[in-house]
Amino acid sequence: EPEVTQTPSHQVTQMGQEVILRCVPISNHLYFYWYRQILGQKVEFLVSFYNNEISEKSEIFDDQFSVERPDGSNFTLKIRSTKLEDSAMYFCASSEGQIQILRPPYEQYFGPGTRLTVT
Amino acid sequence: GEDVEQSLFLSVREGDSSVINCTYTDSSSTYLYWYKQEPGAGLQLLTYIFSNMDMKQDQRLTVLLNKKDKHLSLRIADTQTGDSAIYFCAEINAGNNRKLIWGLGTSLAVNP
Repeated sequence: EPEVTQTPSHQVTQMGQEVILRCVPISNHLYFYWYRQILGQKVEFLVSFYNNEISEKSEIFDDQFSVERPDGSNFTLKIRSTKLEDSAMYFCASSEGQIQILRPPYEQYFGPGTRLTVT
Repeated sequence: GEDVEQSLFLSVREGDSSVINCTYTDSSSTYLYWYKQEPGAGLQLLTYIFSNMDMKQDQRLTVLLNKKDKHLSLRIADTQTGDSAIYFCAEINAGNNRKLIWGLGTSLAVNP
């Protein structure tokens, strides 16, 4: 069964450094997402991406963050100048389409996550 | 704003039924989901219910939706040790149809 993969599984970085989290979505999917979960808190939406541009982003997704689909398979999240509070589990997801009223939802398939630790 | 709340822990004996509860605030929620997260694994969609439905059954899983009270529950019949995981309630609505709003997750412990 196709799955979303994420690398690395765990990334440790020093405060102020830049990190790139990588995701390989399912190959025929068109929509891509990043979510994060700070330890003990709720999963939070960061950004959705479609047709090579951001469809929606949350308040969390400020200028420190960027996303890119550099080739036909990867989807990356870049965090510039990391802060201690960026430590979290970051989940990538992909879906075939987006929600349409009265039609079955397109499932968002999630990767296993990357645990980012900022020291 | 939108919010989803769940109880944090549930402990049941193997073979019993588990009922995990969730409340949400957004009356325009379109779909409500239950996701499962096993240790070290990603978030896996278990089941979903459309907001105009009251109940959905899928093998051992039964989802009940009370729209008036904005209450969602997931019942797992004949709970097995392999069901031990964190269960997340999430919702999506027509206005913000690109993002899921999540609960904190309920940690289900199944004791032999």
